[in-house]
Amino acid sequence: QSMLTQPPSASGTPGQRVTISCSGTTSNIGSNYVHWYQQLPGTAPELLIYRDNRRPSGVPDRLSGSKSGTSASLAISGLRSDDEADYYCAAWDDSLSGVVFGGGTRLTVL
Amino acid sequence: QVQLVESGGGLVKPGGSLRLSCAASGFTFSDYYMSWIRQAPGKGLQWVSYISSAGHTIFYADSVKDRFTISRDNARNLLYLQMNSLRAEDTAVYYCVGDSGSYGHWAFDYWGQGTLVTVSP
Repeated sequence: QSMLTQPPSASGTPGQRVTISCSGTTSNIGSNYVHWYQQLPGTAPELLIYRDNRRPSGVPDRLSGSKSGTSASLAISGLRSDDEADYYCAAWDDSLSGVVFGGGTRLTVL
Repeated sequence: QVQLVESGGGLVKPGGSLRLSCAASGFTFSDYYMSWIRQAPGKGLQWVSYISSAGHTIFYADSVKDRFTISRDNARNLLYLQMNSLRAEDTAVYYCVGDSGSYGHWAFDYWGQGTLVTVSP
């Protein structure tokens, strides 16, 4: 199953803004919603952003999602130490008739 | 509150079989689309299989097609994954995952804690 492409790592200092990219194709990101998940160490993932740019209740507005064409991105502003986690993008793929995930980005707060 | 509790994981030899179960509580199970998603040790997430709320529509990842079978029992609030012809590359934590549709289809809003499957001689 093909994967979406994410950078393996990202980092920033407290208070900074970081962006994580997610690249796909016309059969996934280009034609379907992108969702983002946060996985804290040793825990199950949680839905962070849905339908490209919407936040479930409880997710702070310093986290935002965007999409353009076959790429999407997650932005985290006002970086905090508890943002350290793995972040995954995901989308339905029309060609594969399945969900594809990005390889994950490990965010480190320096 | 919503709970998804997986069971049935363990150590199995290559070529063997295992059946995972997921017990759901705290929500109307029959209203939810359900999936299995796995994570190999130290690796990323991989979607494995999906079943619609009534069980009429099923999808599988290519890597497990013809080996794994997803099913559900809405009367007992249970989700299953029958895994046959297991391979070393199937070693992973398997998550039972719910999609309420509230956030758009294919947005997974409920996750279990996972059950570890290890395929090794």
